[in-house]
Amino acid sequence: NAGVMQNPRHLVRRRGQEARLRCSPMKGHSHVYWYRQLPEEGLKFMVYLQKENIIDESGMPKERFSAEFPKEGPSILRIQQVVRGDSAAYFCASSPMKNTEAFFGQGTRLTVV
Amino acid sequence: AQKVTQAQTEISVVEKEDVTLDCVYETRDTTYYLFWYKQPPSGELVFLIRRNSFDEQNEISGRYSWNFQKSTSSFNFTITASQVVDSAVYFCALSELGNTGNQFYFGTGTSLTVIP
Repeated sequence: NAGVMQNPRHLVRRRGQEARLRCSPMKGHSHVYWYRQLPEEGLKFMVYLQKENIIDESGMPKERFSAEFPKEGPSILRIQQVVRGDSAAYFCASSPMKNTEAFFGQGTRLTVV
Repeated sequence: AQKVTQAQTEISVVEKEDVTLDCVYETRDTTYYLFWYKQPPSGELVFLIRRNSFDEQNEISGRYSWNFQKSTSSFNFTITASQVVDSAVYFCALSELGNTGNQFYFGTGTSLTVIP
């Protein structure tokens, strides 16, 4: 049973470009969470999704950021018109149900130059 | 307000010493979960333990042990006979059952360095 798969592991974008981060949850997991880790900081919640539904996006910036978890395929975190402050590690986690342990992917390290 | 506080930013110990990482949390929920995760230098997050609020029994897993005390809202993590491979950042996290968003609230982490 493969773990949570995130790709790419490293992503470099120029200011103004779009960044697409992918997350394939563990098999059988229908709950997906995205977290952002800024340098030297802990993880901050961004969004919680179940298949085809956004349950809680209270941690998402209001502009430029969006997330989806389609019926088929991975969850996508999309950042439009990236800025230097978006440089961070973005972690995806999945769980089979609420409030069980969440298994994290290896993260995508986004660098905006 | 910070829901999870890890007051120790950095700790250094000599190999084979015991070390305790502190975690204090804040919640109004009666049902919640507490977690510890390890983040080694490679960057991934490794799940270590989950504890629910109704289970205050301490747990031991090999060299790891956890002390959950609701009276002081603490969930401390002890590594006995530390090894160099224990060097990592350790995060404590809280998940509130009443929170429909099911967010994990993470502390800011404790960076542990084990010196050979």
